[in-house]
Amino acid sequence: KQEVTQIPAALSVPEGENLVLNCSFTDSAIYNLQWFRQDPGKGLTSLLLIQSSQREQTSGRLNASLDKSSGRSTLYIAASQPGDSATYLCAVRRAAGNQFYFGTGTSLTVIP
Amino acid sequence: DAGITQSPRHKVTETGTPVTLRCHQTENHRYMYWYRQDPGHGLRLIHYSYGVKDTDKGEVSDGYSVSRSKTEDFLLTLESATSSQTSVYFCAIGRDTYEQYFGPGTRLTVT
Repeated sequence: KQEVTQIPAALSVPEGENLVLNCSFTDSAIYNLQWFRQDPGKGLTSLLLIQSSQREQTSGRLNASLDKSSGRSTLYIAASQPGDSATYLCAVRRAAGNQFYFGTGTSLTVIP
Repeated sequence: DAGITQSPRHKVTETGTPVTLRCHQTENHRYMYWYRQDPGHGLRLIHYSYGVKDTDKGEVSDGYSVSRSKTEDFLLTLESATSSQTSVYFCAIGRDTYEQYFGPGTRLTVT
């Protein structure tokens, strides 16, 4: 079974800082990896999708990287803003079958 | 906005009663998923569908059944609700790239 871990569980940074969120997974046989944000009481918003053949994806101030062989992905947020405060989740899809596995998330607080 | 709605958004029910949650999509995607989200466990897949009348079990399927009679609707049924099924339930659709988009969630409380 695929295990997905996100460390740290919570992170607090001052506004303007660049930061990195981590996601690790135990089985490198993945089809893709997706990063989401979740605001309190809300659903998940898709941020970035990285296919297994890709090394990174960028969208605005966000950059996600994938190293399948080491079972790791990082989400880089540049010039953080208070509006970035949310829980960030990563999910991996197995290469075989249609199962997705989620990490428990990193709760980010950006202090003005 | 991926055109996904869930109903009801909130429900309180008693142990032993049947409950059906509905997920509706407007984009005609093949894949649909039901998850539950619980503190300390993250999101866990309950069931998914890869087409009309084509469904399969996920990680935590015991106590749940699903049906998909139309492309746009995916129903999740708790045949006899238990307190351990108190959770937030999310529906998601999967696009051709297997990128997932989520609905707003249903908060279910079983008393």
